[in-house]
Amino acid sequence: GAGVSQTPSNKVTEKGKYVELRCDPISGHTALYWYRQSLGQGPEFLIYFQGTGAADDSGLPNDRFFAVRPEGSVSTLKIQRTERGDSAVYLCASSFQGAKETQYFGPGTRLLVL
Amino acid sequence: GESVGLHLPTLSVQEGDNSIINCAYSNSASDYFIWYKQESGKGPQFIIDIRSNMDKRQGQRVTVLLNKTVKHLSLQIAATQPGDSAVYFCAENVGGEKLTFGTGTRLTIIP
Repeated sequence: GAGVSQTPSNKVTEKGKYVELRCDPISGHTALYWYRQSLGQGPEFLIYFQGTGAADDSGLPNDRFFAVRPEGSVSTLKIQRTERGDSAVYLCASSFQGAKETQYFGPGTRLLVL
Repeated sequence: GESVGLHLPTLSVQEGDNSIINCAYSNSASDYFIWYKQESGKGPQFIIDIRSNMDKRQGQRVTVLLNKTVKHLSLQIAATQPGDSAVYFCAENVGGEKLTFGTGTRLTIIP
């Protein structure tokens, strides 16, 4: 596809469970970002990858959150021991090389923790 | 569809009129600014960006103005259409790669 894609589009889970959220960036984009958006708020930065490495993970709220990008393309955001406060829309974005280039967002994964 | 926000600042504009959406940013070191449009249930969509060495940039039906003295950014939409109804976010980049987003403004077009 031409744009950033994310799966699943919706995820409902129970408190304490583990979830994985997937992001497929635009082909050829080396920079990949994860953001989290709560209701009524703007997106908040979680983590940034340049290639396979996490160049900035300063936005991850705690050690229950982890993300990987093993081959420099697809990325997976992993949340352990989910809490109700983790409920939000998780957005992925990519840019060609980073460095203040346009970040293109995917449709997001809506996570609901019961 | 999902509501992006229930208590956002709201701007209502008559169809065909011009819209001006304002944004105050906090960090005087920010050097790159972007406007995004977000429709209900969708991810943010890039509209236009501007770097700190400019004070105005124009796109198709949109203009962004940057006033670094008062740390203010505005988005002007000419001849607004029903499809312009959405939540609009400004975002700033201070350094590094992450964007810091504002709260957002809900634009409603009155037919």
